[in-house]
Amino acid sequence: EAQVTQNPRYLITVTGKKLTVTCSQNMNHEYMSWYRQDPGLGLRQIYYSMNVEVTDKGDVPEGYKVSRKEKRNFPLILESPSPNQTSLYFCASSSTNRAEQYFGPGTRLTVT
Amino acid sequence: RKEVEQDPGPFNVPEGATVAFNCTYSNSASQSFFWYRQDCRKEPKLLMSVYSSGNEDGRFTAQLNRASQYISLLIRDSKLSDSATYLCVVLGLGGGSYIPKFGRGTSLIVHP
Repeated sequence: EAQVTQNPRYLITVTGKKLTVTCSQNMNHEYMSWYRQDPGLGLRQIYYSMNVEVTDKGDVPEGYKVSRKEKRNFPLILESPSPNQTSLYFCASSSTNRAEQYFGPGTRLTVT
Repeated sequence: RKEVEQDPGPFNVPEGATVAFNCTYSNSASQSFFWYRQDCRKEPKLLMSVYSSGNEDGRFTAQLNRASQYISLLIRDSKLSDSATYLCVVLGLGGGSYIPKFGRGTSLIVHP
């Protein structure tokens, strides 16, 4: 089954404790991206990747890092999480940067 | 002016009604357009792409008006299961790459 998976689905952590949210797709897509969704603000892109070893900032990259060492994986790293990073995070992939995107199920992160 | 704007609603309609949403965009160089559906706190899923000539999929019709810079979604014969948030996505060229911009979504509630 073609899908995008994210782990963990739910995470409660404390300020400053490094964490990684994994994202994996099995569709051989070149383009992957991370979004956060907050009430009243909609989906905002954090980082995206056009292909392996190619990543770039989206609209709200501050406080996040990503890597793309393999085509299928695109982890999101929060080196020092802060409460303002409490949000619902979605990973997405698409065959090209102009095609429709397929989203993972989301990761609900709470930073206290 | 926001890059992609939608009326948040909610649009509250009875079953069987016809309802239409608009989404305006500010970047005249935008190239690709999509409508996504998002159920409460779940991942967005592609509803339909929007082509220059318009397109129809069953009860759903999408239109693009480049001159006025908006896209529309028409839902005929509304079903209870159509209740969701509808997101418009516009891909515009930025920094040499296509950046997807999401509207904040329009909430639709279909009641018996």
